[in-house]
Amino acid sequence: DGGITQSPKYLFRKEGQNVTLSCEQNLNHDAMYWYRQDPGQGLRLIYYSQIVNDFQKGDIAEGYSVSREKKESFPLTVTSAQKNPTAFYLCASSITRGEEDEQFFGPGTRLTVL
Amino acid sequence: GENVEQHPSTLSVQEGDSAVIKCTYSDSASNYFPWYKQELGKRPQLIIDIRSNVGEKKDQRIAVTLNKTAKHFSLHITETQPEDSAVYFCAANMDEKLTFGTGTRLTIIP
Repeated sequence: DGGITQSPKYLFRKEGQNVTLSCEQNLNHDAMYWYRQDPGQGLRLIYYSQIVNDFQKGDIAEGYSVSREKKESFPLTVTSAQKNPTAFYLCASSITRGEEDEQFFGPGTRLTVL
Repeated sequence: GENVEQHPSTLSVQEGDSAVIKCTYSDSASNYFPWYKQELGKRPQLIIDIRSNVGEKKDQRIAVTLNKTAKHFSLHITETQPEDSAVYFCAANMDEKLTFGTGTRLTIIP
């Protein structure tokens, strides 16, 4: 699990600002995922990508955007359109299709909107 | 919509006793059911998974059982130890992605 990193660990944002969360992996995994974790709600999928230059919306994509220009990187932008962005954000990767195999998680980024 | 329900949300168990966490899922096409453990302040990690072609899988003190007819699966931890204290998440694959349960906070009482 040391092969997937997220930065920063903590992030503070003023209302109306866009922020970008970084996710990098050196595991040579094809698939990458972004989840949001709120107390009592488990892990909810924001976006996922199974191959470079392609990504799909998850269950709660509104107010978020992603890109997958490189296999190793899957940044998440939290836009001002996201009404309640304060949460813990987890990035994950898997060798191929993560819905059929183990997903490896990063350490997470805690975003707080001031 | 498709979902995974997990119970209980909190569970306290005396050290050495067994713990059981149960999940139900809605999509009969689901065929992969992983369990993740998240210790306080750490990332979730896979502890065991089961596929629909088997009914039970064991790995030392942990086991998972699957009942596809009833669409439920359970995590069993025997001889619990303090290091088992964590939040446990079940998941099932639906529509080309994993859907997670809401988590169970397990506390082992010394």
